[in-house]
Amino acid sequence: AQSVTQPDIHITVSEGASLELRCNYSYGATPYLFWYVQSPGQGLQLLLKYFSGDTLVQGIKGFEAEFKRSQSSFNLRKPSVHWSDAAEYFCAVGTKTSYDKVIFGPGTSLSVIP
Amino acid sequence: DAMVIQNPRYQVTQFGKPVTLSCSQTLNHNVMYWYQQKSSQAPKLLFHYYDKDFNNEADTPDNFQSRRPNTSFCFLDIRSPGLGDAAMYLCATSTTSAGEQYFGPGTRLTVT
Repeated sequence: AQSVTQPDIHITVSEGASLELRCNYSYGATPYLFWYVQSPGQGLQLLLKYFSGDTLVQGIKGFEAEFKRSQSSFNLRKPSVHWSDAAEYFCAVGTKTSYDKVIFGPGTSLSVIP
Repeated sequence: DAMVIQNPRYQVTQFGKPVTLSCSQTLNHNVMYWYQQKSSQAPKLLFHYYDKDFNNEADTPDNFQSRRPNTSFCFLDIRSPGLGDAAMYLCATSTTSAGEQYFGPGTRLTVT
């Protein structure tokens, strides 16, 4: 069965420091891959997506992610974190099987300290 | 701007009193989703429509129903809300069932 794991439940970084959020998936073929961000009390916003092609994808707000097929990973990175990046981050996988669907990971909560 | 709109943003209902949450979209997307999200958890898919085709998740309680009268609108009906149904309810749209989703701001449901 398809699944998505985000090993870090909560991460705290200092403002200006670099960030990497981990995401691993289990799926037999190449999936569609997404990262979403959710601020408190809000809906989810798409940060970036990978469908095919270049494995390093750029997103909004200075985020990027790299698809590594050999590791079944799609980690999210940002070189310098801003206080406004504090939020919940969800990795998601879109599976093209007999029943198309998107599976969300459990989320990583990011705190940013001044 | 094209968007997904959810009304109301906050809804308070009494235990057992039916409640309806609404979602509308100006994106003209084929797929509309309803998710339930509890505190510090991932969104849990309740059901989705691909055009008029309704797809219910196997573990969605019968207490939850949905209607999609046209492309733009989708409703979530909770027939007899229990205390455990208090949550954020998120509506989302997509052009395909496995593609990127566009979320509304959510409706926070409180059950008293």
